[in-house]
Amino acid sequence: EVQLVQSGAEVKKPGESLKISCKGSGYSFTSYWIGWVRQMPGKGLEWMGIIYPGDSDTRYSPSFQGQVTISADKSISTAYLQWSSLKASDTAMYYCARHLAAAGTIDPWGQGTLVTVSS
Amino acid sequence: SYVLTQPPSVSVAPGKTARITCGGNNIGSKSVHWYQQKPGQAPVLVIYYDSDRPSGIPERFSGSNSGNTATLTISRVEAGDEADYYCQVWDSSSDHPVVFGGGTKLTVL
Repeated sequence: EVQLVQSGAEVKKPGESLKISCKGSGYSFTSYWIGWVRQMPGKGLEWMGIIYPGDSDTRYSPSFQGQVTISADKSISTAYLQWSSLKASDTAMYYCARHLAAAGTIDPWGQGTLVTVSS
Repeated sequence: SYVLTQPPSVSVAPGKTARITCGGNNIGSKSVHWYQQKPGQAPVLVIYYDSDRPSGIPERFSGSNSGNTATLTISRVEAGDEADYYCQVWDSSSDHPVVFGGGTKLTVL
C-alpha cells in the first residue's frame, strides 16, 4: 500500500524556524514527484511546490518561492517543508502528496500537519 | 497562469443528482482531476482523466469535460457525499504545473 505519513502538529512563535516531514512507503520514492499543499483555516487548497527525490529537481509556486524550502532525503524516503522565520499567516494545515506527472494526478495524500504560529 | 473557477457551493436533496462545474479557458483540451475532502480529512482523488474512477470510488461519481467547462456529477446523492470538492489540472508547460480550483462545498439538504 502506498502511504505518506507526516510529522505531528507544531506550535511555534513568530520568527522561529520549522521543518516538517513526510515519509513515503510502498512505492519507489525516487521515481515520483512529491509535493506540498497548504490549506489555511476554512480555505481552499493552495499548491506550494514539488521535488523529485531522484535528482532533487525542485519547483515552487510563485506564491511560495523564497518563503519556504522543499527538500528530500532519499536514503530515508522522506520529504521536508522548511521555514526559516515563521509568520502568523503561516498558520495552516500542510499536506504532502505524491504527484504523478505522467497522469497529472496527486495521489495519495498524507494525513496533514497542522502548524500554528502564535505569540 | 491558468485559472480554474468553481461555484462556492452546491446544494442537493438526498437521492438527487449533484453537478459541480469547473471552468477554465479551453479546459476541454486538458485532463481534469477531482478531489473530495470531508471535514477534518485529507483530500482523496475521486475522478481522474476527466471521467475515470480510482478503485473504491462508487459508480455514482462521474465526470465530463468539454469546451470551457468540466463537470463532476454525483448521482443518487447520499448524506456521506457532503464534502468540499476541488478540480485540478496539470500544466506541463509550466514550472509550477499544478492548478487547483477554489473548491465547491456540497451540501446535502
